[in-house]
Amino acid sequence: DTGVSQDPRHKITKRGQNVTFRCDPISEHNRLYWYRQTLGQGPEFLTYFQNEAQLEKSRLLSDRFSAERPKGSFSTLEIQRTEQGDSAMYLCASSFRQGSEETQYFGPGTRLLVL
Amino acid sequence: SQQGEEDPQALSIQEGENATMNCSYKTSINNLQWYRQNSGRGLVHLILIRSNEREKHSGRLRVTLDTSKKSSSLLITASRAADTASYFCATPALSGNTGKLIFGQGTTLQVKP
Repeated sequence: DTGVSQDPRHKITKRGQNVTFRCDPISEHNRLYWYRQTLGQGPEFLTYFQNEAQLEKSRLLSDRFSAERPKGSFSTLEIQRTEQGDSAMYLCASSFRQGSEETQYFGPGTRLLVL
Repeated sequence: SQQGEEDPQALSIQEGENATMNCSYKTSINNLQWYRQNSGRGLVHLILIRSNEREKHSGRLRVTLDTSKKSSSLLITASRAADTASYFCATPALSGNTGKLIFGQGTTLQVKP
């Protein structure tokens, strides 16, 4: 399977704990995106990378959130001191931009529940 | 923030019927995309329509775009139980070089066998 993969698929944690999610994009894709989706809503943009550079962060991404993409391959999203409001599906997508258009390919998501 | 509204929020039809979902957006766009999401899963890209296109087809899908009304519709013909999913419209943000997508709230479609 050469699609976008995410790990873990599910994570249950206690409030105050740190969690880290991993995303492995499609290998030739230079762009990688993180979105957050709460129940009944569409995904909301968190941050994106072009190769290893993090080029934009949403104001939704508080100081407790950090994302990395070392070597421009896989990416990690860490949430420190989790809060119940962090409970959501975290989606990763990758793309290869050609001209002004791009199609983003999404992974299956990591569902986080903070107790 | 969400780009706009999708209508209806939920739709239930019988297998074989057509399903129509509408999406309205707020800002100027280069293109509009539709995605499908099966329950608790990631999103699958269905179709992209450019701002200078009015209609596009892909298999049983037909998408229209009316930039004067800032609206789009997705028609699924001859629906199947496997079409049961949530459907989202999304537009790329125009500011900067980012390709980030701004999604609507989605329409949940149930196709009864």
